[in-house]
Amino acid sequence: AQSVTQLDSHVSVSEGTPVLLRCNYSSSYSPSLFWYVQHPNKGLQLLLKYTSAATLVKGINGFEAEFKKSETSFHLTKPSAHMSDAAEYFCVVLSGGYNKLIFGAGTRLAVHP
Amino acid sequence: KAGVTQTPRYLIKTRGQQVTLSCSPISGHRSVSWYQQTPGQGLQFLFEYFSETQRNKGNFPGRFSGRQFSNSRSEMNVSTLELGDSALYLCASSSGGAALNEKLFFGSGTQLSVL
Repeated sequence: AQSVTQLDSHVSVSEGTPVLLRCNYSSSYSPSLFWYVQHPNKGLQLLLKYTSAATLVKGINGFEAEFKKSETSFHLTKPSAHMSDAAEYFCVVLSGGYNKLIFGAGTRLAVHP
Repeated sequence: KAGVTQTPRYLIKTRGQQVTLSCSPISGHRSVSWYQQTPGQGLQFLFEYFSETQRNKGNFPGRFSGRQFSNSRSEMNVSTLELGDSALYLCASSSGGAALNEKLFFGSGTQLSVL
């Protein structure tokens, strides 16, 4: 069965410092992995997706993630945090069926001035 | 292009009642998926429809049902509401092509409170 584990429920950074949100996955085959962001009272927005074409995936708003098979990880990073990045982030794996996404528990990112 | 539209935005119901939620996908999208979001269980897949047919289903009881119309709009129904059904219900649309990992566009959700 496919699953993802987000290693931190809360991450707090200062504006202008790097962001690292950690995610490990479990999959019996090459997974399709995603990062989604949810701002308060908003729907989910896709940041980026990994589909085996390249291990380093660039997304929107300066985010990127690296797929590491040896570590079964798909961590999300951003070089410099902005106040508008404060939101909840979800690591997601496709569970073999049409649009059946398995979501991690989420990481709440706080950005301080 | 208008985004995914979910109505109503908020709903308050009492235990035992039933509720119907509506989702209008992005124009041209033929696939609609539904997800439930709660603080305790997080985001969970309910079901997915494409061309009026349910293609995929999550692990929810039969009280949760859905349908899709010929214009791709979708409704989900929850019968005999329980307190635990209180949640944000999110709808997502996509073109519904052959790729299993295509991009989903989510609506802002319907917040259901069961009293």
